[in-house]
Amino acid sequence: QVTLRESGPALVRPTQTLTVTCTFSGFSLSTSGMCVNWIRQPPGQALEWLARIDWDGDKYYNTSLKTRLTISKDISKNQVVLTMTDMDPLDTGTYYCARLNSDGYYLDFWGQGTLVTVSS
Amino acid sequence: EVVLTQSPDTLSLSPGERANLSCRASQRVSSSYLSWYQQKPGQAPRLLMYAASTRASGVPDRFTGSGSGTDFTLTISRLESEDFAVYYCQQFGSVFGPGTKVD
Repeated sequence: QVTLRESGPALVRPTQTLTVTCTFSGFSLSTSGMCVNWIRQPPGQALEWLARIDWDGDKYYNTSLKTRLTISKDISKNQVVLTMTDMDPLDTGTYYCARLNSDGYYLDFWGQGTLVTVSS
Repeated sequence: EVVLTQSPDTLSLSPGERANLSCRASQRVSSSYLSWYQQKPGQAPRLLMYAASTRASGVPDRFTGSGSGTDFTLTISRLESEDFAVYYCQQFGSVFGPGTKVD
């Protein structure tokens, strides 16, 4: 079955770079049509889509955050990594990864999320 | 870039009542790429509906999706206790609406 799990630091200092990793199973990111997304959610607020990487290496970013985000994949490890530079307390929240079903562009499987707090 | 708005912000209803949740797009979008998610406190979102009106696996038939163009609706015919949650619409696997809380 398809599972995804996020991992990363619980605490990040302002101006530092965040690196979060999504480790998945049950599918391969080398298979045509497979895509993995990152989404975040500040405490008590709405979901915000961050980035996506496709099986063919194409990458897409939230236009408002594009200059700070980098998404990459490691096929051999079944992992997708998101880095976000220049972290700010407003970036505090739960970071989720999710698989995108490219037939209908919907997120069919989600990880449980990892809470990242940005504080000095 | 498409912007999604949802209304109302909060829907205060009782079990057994009908809930109508609205999702409006700033420009016409394909219903093939409109999805709905349910999120309960402390949990990850769960896919409810895709292609505007197709229920995801395991979703009860009291949930119905409809709409086209710029206006989409998620209807819960008879609320059950486990349906009290926040509901988000999403377009093309990226942009999310701000959510509607059903309490």
